[in-house]
Amino acid sequence: DTGVSQDPRHKITKRGQNVTFRCDPISEHNRLYWYRQTLGQGPEFLTYFQNEAQLEKSRLLSDRFSAERPKGSFSTLEIQRTEQGDSAMYLCASSLLLRNYGYTFGSGTRLTVV
Amino acid sequence: RKEVEQDPGPFNVPEGATVAFNCTYSNSASQSFFWYRQDCRKEPKLLMSVYSSGNEDGRFTAQLNRASQYISLLIRDSKLSDSATYLCVVQGGGADGLTFGKGTHLIIQP
Repeated sequence: DTGVSQDPRHKITKRGQNVTFRCDPISEHNRLYWYRQTLGQGPEFLTYFQNEAQLEKSRLLSDRFSAERPKGSFSTLEIQRTEQGDSAMYLCASSLLLRNYGYTFGSGTRLTVV
Repeated sequence: RKEVEQDPGPFNVPEGATVAFNCTYSNSASQSFFWYRQDCRKEPKLLMSVYSSGNEDGRFTAQLNRASQYISLLIRDSKLSDSATYLCVVQGGGADGLTFGKGTHLIIQP
């Protein structure tokens, strides 16, 4: 499968626990994005990387959220001290640095905080 | 004002009909425009890019009006399989990443 891969597909965690999600982009794509989607809303931009550099992180929802892409390949998104409001679908996407190209999304990780 | 606004619907349309969706965007410096399709509990998938001259892909036609900051999608001869949420998306103008509307829910009825 040469698409964007996300793991796990589903995660149920207790409030206050830390969670980490992984995204493997399409191999030739140099940009990687994280989005969050809640029910009835469109995806909301969180952060993105160009190769290993994180170019925008001010849109991360709070300082409990952090992302890494250490070798410019896969990326992880960590949420510390989860809250019930963090329950959502977390989507990863990748693209080439080209305009009018669009992004390819992974299947997402659905997080439920109980 | 929301950055990208769409009528959430739902639009209930009989099979074979023509249906049109519109969206407006607030950032006049936006540079790229797309329609994405999202099925229930699935990821968004790129349906088509939208160009200033308008473009067509089979039964789908997209139009962009930069002066009015308005994007449209027309679906002709609608199929049951067209039932989904259609997301209007803009990029650029100083904003990183893609900015999504809430989506328009389309239901094609047999």
